[in-house]
Amino acid sequence: EDQVTQSPEALRLQEGESSSLNCSYTVSGLRGLFWYRQDPGKGPEFLFTLYSAGEEKEKERLKATLTKKESFLHITAPKPEDSATYLCAVRRIRGSQGNLIFGKGTKLSVKP
Amino acid sequence: KAGVTQTPRYLIKTRGQQVTLSCSPISGHRSVSWYQQTPGQGLQFLFEYFSETQRNKGNFPGRFSGRQFSNSRSEMNVSTLELGDSALYLCASSLAGQGETGYTFGSGTRLTVV
Repeated sequence: EDQVTQSPEALRLQEGESSSLNCSYTVSGLRGLFWYRQDPGKGPEFLFTLYSAGEEKEKERLKATLTKKESFLHITAPKPEDSATYLCAVRRIRGSQGNLIFGKGTKLSVKP
Repeated sequence: KAGVTQTPRYLIKTRGQQVTLSCSPISGHRSVSWYQQTPGQGLQFLFEYFSETQRNKGNFPGRFSGRQFSNSRSEMNVSTLELGDSALYLCASSLAGQGETGYTFGSGTRLTVV
């Protein structure tokens, strides 16, 4: 069965303390892996799309990487405004465009 | 550029009633997908529409239905509401075939069934 597992469920960091979030996936043919950020009371906000193993993308303090079985979201020197739930989702080769399988997310809290 | 607009933002309904939620995609986006988000299950795919046609449907009972209009606006309907239908319902839009920039989500409709 296709599934996406994110760990840890929650992560508390001090401002400036770098860390990584993990997204493990099992799908029958990966067409794309997506990272989203979700703030309370809002819809998910797109961050990155990764398509093949070895691919990396960066945006400000965030860097996403992809292997054949998992993806990491590295957060360098986080700030309190990085506090949010980070969601990982995959799109399968046999799935239609809008059919994403989401993990349950990692809730990140960054304390000043 | 306006984002994805979902109305209403909040809704309280009684068990057994039905509800209709609305989604206006980003101008030019022809693909609209719906997701249900709950604390226990996370985001789960409901259905996807493209050019007024349903392209895919998730594992939800037939009480959940949707449609898309010629201007790409979409509605979803839930009949005979149950307590377990309480959730945040999210709509996402995209240009057909444009996965690189992801799918843009609206802020959702928070449905509470009492």
